[in-house]
Amino acid sequence: EVQLVESGGGMVQPGRSLRLSCAASGFTFENYAMHWVRQAPGKGLEWVAGISWNSASVGYGGSLKGRFTISRDNAKNSLSLQMNNLRVEDTAFYYCVKDKGEESSSPVTIPSFSFDSWGPGTLVTVSS
Amino acid sequence: DIVMTQSPLSLPVTPGEPASISCRSSQSLLHTNGYIYLDWYLQKPGQSPQLLIYLGSNRASGVPDRFSGSGSGTDFTLRISRVEAEDVGVYFCMQGLHAPLTFGGGTKVEIK
Repeated sequence: EVQLVESGGGMVQPGRSLRLSCAASGFTFENYAMHWVRQAPGKGLEWVAGISWNSASVGYGGSLKGRFTISRDNAKNSLSLQMNNLRVEDTAFYYCVKDKGEESSSPVTIPSFSFDSWGPGTLVTVSS
Repeated sequence: DIVMTQSPLSLPVTPGEPASISCRSSQSLLHTNGYIYLDWYLQKPGQSPQLLIYLGSNRASGVPDRFSGSGSGTDFTLRISRVEAEDVGVYFCMQGLHAPLTFGGGTKVEIK
């Protein structure tokens, strides 16, 4: 069974930094692209960032303006999100999300940009 | 960025009756490979979202066959053939073709 468990959320002042982590298990982590999706309380979903299986390709949501960095450690089955210069509007639940992946001729999947497993989320509150 | 517009915002439904949700994208979601990069997700109350439909019309693993997705280009529909009480929640469409990936605003389905 796929399990994704986020950690690192909490309350932080505007302008400060926070690093989120996601521990993955139940699947071959190194074969799949991964993503972060966030949701402000009571609001809709926003794609934050995605990263390919080998970290060669990364992408970010349009509103982040270079403040966030996604990374992964395949040896540790771990996904991270470094968030700098946090703003009040970054307040949200942050979900670690597994890409469904398309089969390829190798064990590594091609990113499908469909999200078939989600963690429970971690709440980041940015407030003075 | 691609804008995803869902309607209605709220949908009261009667158990056993059909229901449908519309999603429109500001650009075509048809890839040259023939696939439509449009997904549907359901977020039940107090839970994380779950994948219902991927690539426009494919049900995700474990999703009941009362859920179906259709559409082409820029207009898409999620249909529930016979609504059950467990189907309440917020439904989101999402496009996966153009970066950055973007979601619709959501449709809240509740029992009448």
